[in-house]
Amino acid sequence: DAGVTQSPTHLIKTRGQQVTLRCSPKSGHDTVSWYQQALGQGPQFIFQYYEEEERQRGNFPDRFSGHQFPNYSSELNVNALLLGDSALYLCASSRDRFQYTGELFFGEGSRLTVL
Amino acid sequence: GQQLNQSPQSMFIQEGEDVSMNCTSSSIFNTWLWYKQDPGEGPVLLIALYKAGELTSNGRLTAQFGITRKDSFLNISASIPSDVGIYFCAGQLGTGTASKLTFGTGTRLQVTL
Repeated sequence: DAGVTQSPTHLIKTRGQQVTLRCSPKSGHDTVSWYQQALGQGPQFIFQYYEEEERQRGNFPDRFSGHQFPNYSSELNVNALLLGDSALYLCASSRDRFQYTGELFFGEGSRLTVL
Repeated sequence: GQQLNQSPQSMFIQEGEDVSMNCTSSSIFNTWLWYKQDPGEGPVLLIALYKAGELTSNGRLTAQFGITRKDSFLNISASIPSDVGIYFCAGQLGTGTASKLTFGTGTRLQVTL
């Protein structure tokens, strides 16, 4: 049973560019959440997708957008990259019926460096 | 965005020692969780607490949900080298569509032999 898989694992971009990160949830999971983890910090909630819709959003600008596909996989897009966007981007999957248990299954993350 | 306050920030302990760490918030949560993150990995859930005052154990780990619902504590007994990592608390409001987790700043644990 594959866990949460993310790609790419590492990438380097320059300011102003755009990036797309991808996530496949754990088998049987229907909800995908994205978190940003800056160096030395805890993960910060970006947004959550369920039934191909953005259900919740954290305090992130519109430059951050996402998508969920019918097979529950998800993408995170960031436009007009800033130096401050450098971070580990974590995808977490869960089952909607257990959304209030707080139990998330995280991928290993995509490490984005913006130069 | 909001982050919960964890203390200590880091700690060095000897194998076999007990460890205590805590997490405080300025707002109430209905669920408290503790996650552990190893280098190069995503966080993994250790313990979940769902009721104020609840004390829950998972092997050598024991966590408590503070009675005010604004804090939580994690204890690790008889530490071993594989306990090394970063421990994060997380709170969940859990009402309506508010199932997002708010994480703490982390406690880095290093265990010496």
